[in-house]
Amino acid sequence: EVQLAESGGGLIHPGESLRLSCAASGFTVSSNYINWVRQTPGKGLEWISIMYPNGDTYYAASLRGRFTISRDQSQNTFYLHINSLRTDDTAIYYCAGSGSPNRGDYWGQGVLLTVSS
Amino acid sequence: EIVLTQSPATLSLSPGGRATLSCRASQSVSCCLGWYQQKPGQAPRLLIYDTDNRATGIPARFSGSGSGTDFTLTISRLEPEDFGVYYCQQGIHWPTFGQGTKVEIK
Repeated sequence: EVQLAESGGGLIHPGESLRLSCAASGFTVSSNYINWVRQTPGKGLEWISIMYPNGDTYYAASLRGRFTISRDQSQNTFYLHINSLRTDDTAIYYCAGSGSPNRGDYWGQGVLLTVSS
Repeated sequence: EIVLTQSPATLSLSPGGRATLSCRASQSVSCCLGWYQQKPGQAPRLLIYDTDNRATGIPARFSGSGSGTDFTLTISRLEPEDFGVYYCQQGIHWPTFGQGTKVEIK
Protein backbone atom coordinates (compact mmCIF):
# COMPACT_ATOMS: atom_id res chain seq x y z
CA GLU A 1 0.00 0.00 0.00
CA VAL A 2 1.28 3.44 -0.95
CA GLN A 3 1.40 6.00 1.82
CA LEU A 4 2.60 9.59 1.61
CA ALA A 5 2.87 11.66 4.77
CA GLU A 6 3.57 15.39 4.82
CA SER A 7 5.12 17.29 7.70
CA GLY A 8 6.59 20.69 8.35
CA GLY A 9 3.62 23.04 8.20
CA GLY A 10 2.47 25.47 10.83
CA LEU A 11 2.41 29.20 11.50
CA ILE A 12 5.23 31.07 9.75
CA HIS A 13 5.93 34.81 9.53
CA PRO A 14 6.08 36.61 6.19
CA GLY A 15 9.57 36.67 4.69
CA GLU A 16 10.70 33.49 6.42
CA SER A 17 11.55 30.20 4.72
CA LEU A 18 10.19 26.71 5.25
CA ARG A 19 10.73 23.15 4.17
CA LEU A 20 7.84 20.73 3.81
CA SER A 21 8.60 17.01 3.79
CA CYS A 22 6.78 14.06 2.27
CA ALA A 23 7.81 10.63 3.49
CA ALA A 24 6.83 7.80 1.18
CA SER A 25 6.24 4.13 1.79
CA GLY A 26 5.24 1.57 -0.81
CA PHE A 27 6.37 4.11 -3.43
CA THR A 28 9.91 4.83 -4.58
CA VAL A 29 10.37 8.57 -4.95
CA SER A 30 13.46 8.28 -7.14
CA SER A 31 11.74 6.22 -9.82
CA ASN A 32 8.38 7.97 -9.99
CA TYR A 33 6.97 11.42 -10.64
CA ILE A 34 6.65 13.45 -7.46
CA ASN A 35 4.56 16.57 -7.09
CA TRP A 36 3.45 19.31 -4.76
CA VAL A 37 -0.06 20.79 -5.01
CA ARG A 38 -1.69 23.38 -2.79
CA GLN A 39 -5.29 24.30 -2.09
CA THR A 40 -6.92 27.49 -0.90
CA PRO A 41 -10.59 28.45 -0.65
CA GLY A 42 -10.03 31.32 -3.07
CA LYS A 43 -7.80 29.84 -5.79
CA GLY A 44 -8.74 26.19 -5.45
CA LEU A 45 -6.23 23.49 -6.33
CA GLU A 46 -2.91 24.71 -7.74
CA TRP A 47 -0.11 22.48 -9.04
CA ILE A 48 3.16 23.86 -7.71
CA SER A 49 6.01 21.62 -8.80
CA ILE A 50 6.97 18.32 -10.41
CA MET A 51 10.16 16.26 -10.30
CA TYR A 52 10.69 13.61 -12.96
CA PRO A 53 12.47 10.30 -12.22
CA ASN A 54 15.53 11.64 -14.08
CA GLY A 55 15.70 14.57 -11.66
CA ASP A 56 14.35 17.28 -13.97
CA THR A 57 12.22 19.79 -12.09
CA TYR A 58 9.37 22.02 -13.21
CA TYR A 59 7.42 24.77 -11.51
CA ALA A 60 4.25 26.75 -12.05
CA ALA A 61 5.21 29.88 -13.97
CA SER A 62 3.63 32.15 -11.36
CA LEU A 63 5.62 30.53 -8.55
CA ARG A 64 9.00 30.01 -10.18
CA GLY A 65 11.88 31.32 -8.10
CA ARG A 66 10.65 30.89 -4.52
CA PHE A 67 9.84 27.18 -4.59
CA THR A 68 12.32 24.30 -4.87
CA ILE A 69 11.46 20.61 -5.04
CA SER A 70 14.05 18.04 -4.04
CA ARG A 71 14.28 14.41 -2.97
CA ASP A 72 16.39 12.20 -0.75
CA GLN A 73 16.65 8.70 -2.17
CA SER A 74 18.13 7.28 1.02
CA GLN A 75 15.18 8.52 3.08
CA ASN A 76 12.60 7.90 0.32
CA THR A 77 11.37 11.40 1.06
CA PHE A 78 10.79 14.50 -1.01
CA TYR A 79 10.69 18.11 -0.05
CA LEU A 80 9.37 21.52 -0.98
CA HIS A 81 11.46 24.49 0.05
CA ILE A 82 9.65 27.82 0.05
CA ASN A 83 11.57 31.08 0.40
CA SER A 84 10.32 34.57 1.19
CA LEU A 85 6.94 33.34 2.37
CA ARG A 86 3.97 35.62 1.71
CA THR A 87 0.54 35.71 3.26
CA ASP A 88 -0.97 34.39 0.03
CA ASP A 89 1.12 31.22 0.40
CA THR A 90 -1.30 30.25 3.17
CA ALA A 91 -2.81 26.96 2.00
CA ILE A 92 -3.06 23.25 2.53
CA TYR A 93 -0.06 21.68 0.82
CA TYR A 94 -0.32 18.18 -0.57
CA CYS A 95 2.40 15.90 -1.86
CA ALA A 96 1.37 13.56 -4.64
CA GLY A 97 3.03 10.80 -6.59
CA SER A 98 2.44 8.93 -9.81
CA GLY A 99 3.97 6.60 -12.33
CA SER A 100 3.00 9.07 -15.05
CA PRO A 101 3.67 12.78 -15.43
CA ASN A 102 1.13 15.48 -14.64
CA ARG A 103 -1.11 13.22 -12.62
CA GLY A 104 -1.72 12.49 -8.94
CA ASP A 105 -2.32 8.81 -8.29
CA TYR A 106 -1.35 8.93 -4.63
CA TRP A 107 -1.75 11.82 -2.21
CA GLY A 108 -0.65 12.68 1.27
CA GLN A 109 -3.17 13.85 3.84
CA GLY A 110 -2.10 17.47 3.45
CA VAL A 111 -0.39 19.92 5.77
CA LEU A 112 -1.63 23.39 6.67
CA LEU A 113 0.77 26.28 6.22
CA THR A 114 -0.35 29.61 7.61
CA VAL A 115 1.73 32.68 6.80
CA SER A 116 0.85 35.53 9.10
CA SER A 117 2.49 38.18 11.22
CA GLU B 1 -2.54 28.33 -18.93
CA ILE B 2 -5.40 26.02 -19.82
CA VAL B 3 -8.56 26.99 -17.95
CA LEU B 4 -11.02 24.25 -17.05
CA THR B 5 -14.65 25.23 -16.44
CA GLN B 6 -16.85 22.75 -14.61
CA SER B 7 -20.65 22.66 -14.59
CA PRO B 8 -22.87 22.68 -12.75
CA ALA B 9 -21.37 24.21 -9.62
CA THR B 10 -23.69 22.11 -7.48
CA LEU B 11 -25.64 18.96 -8.25
CA SER B 12 -28.36 17.90 -5.82
CA LEU B 13 -29.30 14.27 -6.25
CA SER B 14 -30.75 11.37 -4.30
CA PRO B 15 -28.89 8.13 -3.62
CA GLY B 16 -29.43 5.83 -6.58
CA GLY B 17 -29.59 8.73 -8.98
CA ARG B 18 -27.37 9.36 -11.98
CA ALA B 19 -24.83 12.18 -11.89
CA THR B 20 -23.44 13.83 -14.99
CA LEU B 21 -20.61 16.32 -14.46
CA SER B 22 -19.09 18.40 -17.24
CA CYS B 23 -15.64 19.90 -17.76
CA ARG B 24 -14.79 22.24 -20.63
CA ALA B 25 -11.21 23.24 -21.47
CA SER B 26 -10.14 26.58 -22.93
CA GLN B 27 -8.15 24.65 -25.55
CA SER B 28 -7.80 21.03 -26.56
CA VAL B 29 -6.28 18.74 -23.92
CA SER B 30 -6.41 15.71 -26.21
CA CYS B 31 -6.95 12.67 -23.99
CA CYS B 32 -5.07 13.97 -20.95
CA LEU B 33 -7.93 14.73 -18.58
CA GLY B 34 -8.62 13.20 -15.20
CA TRP B 35 -11.21 13.41 -12.45
CA TYR B 36 -10.74 13.52 -8.69
CA GLN B 37 -13.12 13.23 -5.75
CA GLN B 38 -12.54 15.19 -2.56
CA LYS B 39 -14.38 14.90 0.72
CA PRO B 40 -14.14 17.41 3.59
CA GLY B 41 -10.81 17.24 5.38
CA GLN B 42 -9.37 14.77 2.88
CA ALA B 43 -6.98 14.91 -0.04
CA PRO B 44 -8.24 14.54 -3.59
CA ARG B 45 -8.57 10.95 -4.79
CA LEU B 46 -7.91 10.04 -8.41
CA LEU B 47 -10.97 8.45 -10.02
CA ILE B 48 -10.36 8.63 -13.77
CA TYR B 49 -7.22 9.31 -15.82
CA ASP B 50 -6.68 9.86 -19.53
CA THR B 51 -10.38 10.57 -20.09
CA ASP B 52 -11.86 7.12 -19.51
CA ASN B 53 -9.52 4.93 -17.46
CA ARG B 54 -10.59 4.10 -13.92
CA ALA B 55 -7.85 4.34 -11.33
CA THR B 56 -7.05 1.33 -9.17
CA GLY B 57 -9.92 0.37 -6.89
CA ILE B 58 -12.47 2.75 -8.40
CA PRO B 59 -15.93 1.17 -8.83
CA ALA B 60 -17.39 0.63 -12.28
CA ARG B 61 -20.23 3.07 -11.58
CA PHE B 62 -17.71 5.85 -12.29
CA SER B 63 -17.03 6.44 -15.97
CA GLY B 64 -15.39 9.17 -18.01
CA SER B 65 -15.81 10.24 -21.59
CA GLY B 66 -15.03 13.06 -23.98
CA SER B 67 -12.28 14.42 -26.18
CA GLY B 68 -10.70 17.67 -27.23
CA THR B 69 -12.26 20.32 -25.01
CA ASP B 70 -15.41 18.65 -23.63
CA PHE B 71 -15.40 15.91 -21.03
CA THR B 72 -17.93 14.19 -18.80
CA LEU B 73 -17.80 12.21 -15.57
CA THR B 74 -20.82 9.98 -15.02
CA ILE B 75 -21.74 8.26 -11.78
CA SER B 76 -24.35 5.74 -12.79
CA ARG B 77 -26.01 5.08 -9.42
CA LEU B 78 -25.02 7.34 -6.55
CA GLU B 79 -23.99 5.68 -3.33
CA PRO B 80 -23.98 7.61 -0.03
CA GLU B 81 -20.17 7.68 -0.06
CA ASP B 82 -20.13 9.41 -3.49
CA PHE B 83 -21.22 12.79 -2.18
CA GLY B 84 -18.43 15.35 -2.20
CA VAL B 85 -16.62 17.71 -4.57
CA TYR B 86 -15.36 16.54 -7.95
CA TYR B 87 -12.52 18.20 -9.85
CA CYS B 88 -11.30 17.74 -13.39
CA GLN B 89 -7.58 18.17 -14.12
CA GLN B 90 -5.70 18.39 -17.38
CA GLY B 91 -2.16 17.15 -17.89
CA ILE B 92 -1.40 17.99 -21.51
CA HIS B 93 0.35 21.20 -20.45
CA TRP B 94 1.18 22.53 -16.98
CA PRO B 95 -1.46 20.77 -14.83
CA THR B 96 -4.52 22.79 -13.92
CA PHE B 97 -7.77 21.96 -12.15
CA GLY B 98 -11.34 23.02 -12.63
CA GLN B 99 -13.12 24.88 -9.84
CA GLY B 100 -15.11 21.82 -8.81
CA THR B 101 -18.67 20.48 -8.81
CA LYS B 102 -20.25 19.73 -5.47
CA VAL B 103 -22.47 16.66 -5.48
CA GLU B 104 -24.82 16.92 -2.52
CA ILE B 105 -27.65 14.85 -1.14
CA LYS B 106 -31.07 16.06 -2.23
